[in-house]
Amino acid sequence: GENVEQHPSTLSVQEGDSAVIKCTYSDSASNYFPWYKQELGKRPQLIIDIRSNVGEKKDQRIAVTLNKTAKHFSLHITETQPEDSAVYFCAAQYGNKLVFGAGTILRVKS
Amino acid sequence: DSGVTQTPKHLITATGQRVTLRCSPRSGDLSVYWYQQSLDQGLQFLIQYYNGEERAKGNILERFSAQQFPDLHSELNLSSLELGDSALYFCASSVEGVSRVNEQFFGPGTRLTVL
Repeated sequence: GENVEQHPSTLSVQEGDSAVIKCTYSDSASNYFPWYKQELGKRPQLIIDIRSNVGEKKDQRIAVTLNKTAKHFSLHITETQPEDSAVYFCAAQYGNKLVFGAGTILRVKS
Repeated sequence: DSGVTQTPKHLITATGQRVTLRCSPRSGDLSVYWYQQSLDQGLQFLIQYYNGEERAKGNILERFSAQQFPDLHSELNLSSLELGDSALYFCASSVEGVSRVNEQFFGPGTRLTVL
């Protein structure tokens, strides 16, 4: 079926540590994988995305890796800061739509 | 500000009623998506329109319907409302090719409360 599994559901890290969130998908035809950050009461905002023609993409402290063979992709946040605290959603393309993971609540403790 | 607007921001109504949520996409975006986000839930895809035509459907209830008008704004109609329909409803838009999925820009959402 069309699903995206996301782990962990909650993640607490100390400020300055790294955070990793993992997602798996089921459709081998999927070729677009965005990550969204949603702060409390606000809209989801794209933070990084990757297409299947690349294996890794970086943007300052965040990076995404993609393993098409294993059908999983991960978000890596380095040197976490309190303002990174939010809910993070991964998504995978299924046909003309995006299917989102259930989300990960990231708490960065200072 | 993503450029996507949604009205109203908040809506409080009673069970059995009908409401209409409105969305204006970013200038130039042809695709509009509707999502439902319940408390502590993820983003559940409801429906997508592309240039006035329905393109994809998710887990949208029969009591819900949507349309996209010639000026590309979209409306989501929710009828025979139940308590469980209380949620945040997001609209998103994207520049959509025929077979390419692109970044979706989300509006601020409409918070629906059914009493």
